[in-house]
Amino acid sequence: AQSVTQLDSHVSVSEGTPVLLRCNYSSSYSPSLFWYVQHPNKGLQLLLKYTSAATLVKGINGFEAEFKKSETSFHLTKPSAHMSDAAEYFCVVSDRDSGTYKYIFGTGTRLKVLA
Amino acid sequence: EAGVAQSPRYKIIEKRQSVAFWCNPISGHATLYWYQQILGQGPKLLIQFQNNGVVDDSQLPKDRFSAERLKGVDSTLKIQPAKLEDSAVYLCASSWDREDYNEQFFGPGTRLTVL
Repeated sequence: AQSVTQLDSHVSVSEGTPVLLRCNYSSSYSPSLFWYVQHPNKGLQLLLKYTSAATLVKGINGFEAEFKKSETSFHLTKPSAHMSDAAEYFCVVSDRDSGTYKYIFGTGTRLKVLA
Repeated sequence: EAGVAQSPRYKIIEKRQSVAFWCNPISGHATLYWYQQILGQGPKLLIQFQNNGVVDDSQLPKDRFSAERLKGVDSTLKIQPAKLEDSAVYLCASSWDREDYNEQFFGPGTRLTVL
């Protein structure tokens, strides 16, 4: 079975500085990987997804992630943080089980952006 | 397009009472999911429907939880009787189909508090 590890439960950055949220996965095949963001009292929103095409994936709001098979990583980055980026971020792997697929979520990383 | 709708947004009940949640997915989406998100954790899949059939309910506590998706559109999730550990946010999501590359669209969730 697949699994996802988000290496930091909390990350704090200053506005205008780079963001790095780390994610490692384990998989017995080439998985699809996703990053979702969850703002308080709102639903999860897809930031970006990797589905075995280009390894560098660009998403919404300036976020991007790079799939590195050799390191089994899918870290999320943004060059310059904005106050509105403060939220919970989830790394997700799509797990193949008994002929169907389901999401396996990481435990989340809470991003705090300091003025 | 309209997003995934859920109601109620908040519910407070006593333990051993029953409760029901409702979800209306995005029009045309064949696959519907119910997740449980306990505070501080990532969402965990409870049940997955393909049209009106159950694809995966391996993590649904069937002694107290039940779900249905009549006519392959709306869905309800019921808990009877509720326990303290059922306090969580219940998320509904939908996707076009159940392939691993398909994005899941999430509703705002129902926050359940069991006293």
